[in-house]
Amino acid sequence: EPEVTQTPSHQVTQMGQEVILRCVPISNHLYFYWYRQILGQKVEFLVSFYNNEISEKSEIFDDQFSVERPDGSNFTLKIRSTKLEDSAMYFCASSEGQLTNGSPLHFGNGTRLTVT
Amino acid sequence: GEDVEQSLFLSVREGDSSVINCTYTDSSSTYLYWYKQEPGAGLQLLTYIFSNMDMKQDQRLTVLLNKKDKHLSLRIADTQTGDSAIYFCAEILREYGNKLVFGAGTILRVKS
Repeated sequence: EPEVTQTPSHQVTQMGQEVILRCVPISNHLYFYWYRQILGQKVEFLVSFYNNEISEKSEIFDDQFSVERPDGSNFTLKIRSTKLEDSAMYFCASSEGQLTNGSPLHFGNGTRLTVT
Repeated sequence: GEDVEQSLFLSVREGDSSVINCTYTDSSSTYLYWYKQEPGAGLQLLTYIFSNMDMKQDQRLTVLLNKKDKHLSLRIADTQTGDSAIYFCAEILREYGNKLVFGAGTILRVKS
């Protein structure tokens, strides 16, 4: 069964450094997402992306964050200058169509980001 | 508000049924989802239900939806040790067409 793949599985970085988290969504999916889960807390929506632009973003997704689909297969999340509170598990997801039309999100296994 | 509420912890014996409950917020949510997260792993889609349904069965899983009370439950029949995981309920908020909002998750522990 096709799946969403994320790399790396664990990323350690120093505060203030830039990180890029990478994702390969399922190939025929058109909608892409990033969620994050701080340890012990809820899974939170960050951003959704469709047709090469951001559809929606949360308050968490501030100017330090950006997303890109640099080619036909990858979907990346960049954090420009990491803060300690950015430490979390970051999940990429994709869906074939819109959620409201019954297309469920399929998640990757996540990238654990540790900011020291 | 955006809070999807779930009980924190459930412990059952192997072979028993498990029932995980969830209360959601948006009465106009079109689809409601159950995801499973095993230790160190991602979110695995288990099942989902369309809001015009009361019940959906999929092998050992039964989802019940009470729209009046905005209550969703997941029943796992003949629970196995491999079912030990965190189970997340999620809803689509109408105000945000493509935003899935998750509950805090219910830790299911299955004792052999």
